[in-house]
Amino acid sequence: NAGVTQTPKFRILKIGQSMTLQCTQDMNHNYMYWYRQDPGMGLKLIYYSVGAGITDKGEVPNGYNVSRSTTEDFPLRLELAAPSQTSVYFCASSYSFGGNQPQHFGDGTRLSIL
Amino acid sequence: GQNIDQPTEMTATEGAIVQINCTYQTSGFNGLFWYQQHAGEAPTFLSYNVLDGLEEKGRFSSFLSRSKGYSYLLLKELQMKDSASYLCAVRDRSSNYQLIWGAGTKLIIKP
Repeated sequence: NAGVTQTPKFRILKIGQSMTLQCTQDMNHNYMYWYRQDPGMGLKLIYYSVGAGITDKGEVPNGYNVSRSTTEDFPLRLELAAPSQTSVYFCASSYSFGGNQPQHFGDGTRLSIL
Repeated sequence: GQNIDQPTEMTATEGAIVQINCTYQTSGFNGLFWYQQHAGEAPTFLSYNVLDGLEEKGRFSSFLSRSKGYSYLLLKELQMKDSASYLCAVRDRSSNYQLIWGAGTKLIIKP
């Protein structure tokens, strides 16, 4: 029962490099999300998707891009990595936006930009 | 604007009861979630409230007062494994029904 799977678990990047954080879910959820979590702060929404081919910006989208070509996959792209992007990144999915349906989270990617 | 406040850290004793408060200010309240997050791990869902009152789930209960913008999570018969951060999140209509998250309350359980 995999749920939401994120890769890699850890990564160190140099300033200016780019990378893609992978996220896949096997629950057939239409809704998927990318968050970042910084010490002492709440989760911040980067991007979200309501289904294949549809994405929208969250609270902190600058410096990131996403795509959603399938229901299962929702990769997050960092272009020109900056030290401010050092964070823990969580991908999540849910059955719906409303009601009592919770978001299910992956184990996170710990990213350091040096 | 939108704001969610939780205490940064709380300490409690094994076997005791602890109440973790969450106050919020949003323009389009549409439900409140509590999540548990152990250090270095993913958040996991605990409870959901949308109407005023108490929701009970085993050792955990969650209360909501919409008129006061207030919720609490009550943990009974505390166990060492309850040492974790507890995150309060509010779904907001004015943010396209996305969750607005508090910074979390780190709960330390002592023997």
